[in-house]
Amino acid sequence: QSALTQPPSASGSPGQSVTISCTGTSSDVGDYNYVSWYQQHPGKAPKLMIYEVSKRPSGVPDRFSGSKSGNTASLTVSGLQAEDEADYYCSSLRVFGGGTKLTVL
Amino acid sequence: EVQLVESGGGLVQPGGSLRLSCAASELIFSGYWMSWVRQAPGKGLEWVANINQYGSEKYYVGSVRGRFTISRDNAEKSLFLQMNSLRAEDTAVYYCARVRTISNYFDYWGQGTLVTVSS
Repeated sequence: QSALTQPPSASGSPGQSVTISCTGTSSDVGDYNYVSWYQQHPGKAPKLMIYEVSKRPSGVPDRFSGSKSGNTASLTVSGLQAEDEADYYCSSLRVFGGGTKLTVL
Repeated sequence: EVQLVESGGGLVQPGGSLRLSCAASELIFSGYWMSWVRQAPGKGLEWVANINQYGSEKYYVGSVRGRFTISRDNAEKSLFLQMNSLRAEDTAVYYCARVRTISNYFDYWGQGTLVTVSS
């Protein structure tokens, strides 16, 4: 299985919304509602933010939301805050995307 | 407290071996599949291996199959990764994580342990 495709970077100003895409194939993202998203701050372990495309674990702010259309999944961060600046990884069927560095301007 | 704590990383020469351990709290270990996920310096995440709650089913990424062995001791609430024939490309931070099967997402992660393969 090939890695999922994410843009290397994304950015937004505080209070704005940013969407990060994650493109797979009809054999992974397109065929199953098994997409998850992870946030990773420098030097820290990844943290689960979204699972099964759009579900949020307890404790994750509702500013984080997930969706999917065809072979592409998306993570939207609304009302950007400084602490949202981190690397974000998508995953489907044990394959990860290359990661997107989110910068809060 | 819900936690996973890895240990056993370090510097090893190419061709050498290392055994990683992950101590888990009861709440997140018993009855669950577990995984190892690694991250090379400055790179993304890569799933390495899975093991079921009984230790009877094990799966590996192709690049480590035949060299790495995942195992667990349920009585001690511990997960292990025996790494043999190590290569420079195995250099990474290795994370222990709980994996929710079917949906294949990782809901709890340890802090990671660094493995460096170099002469």
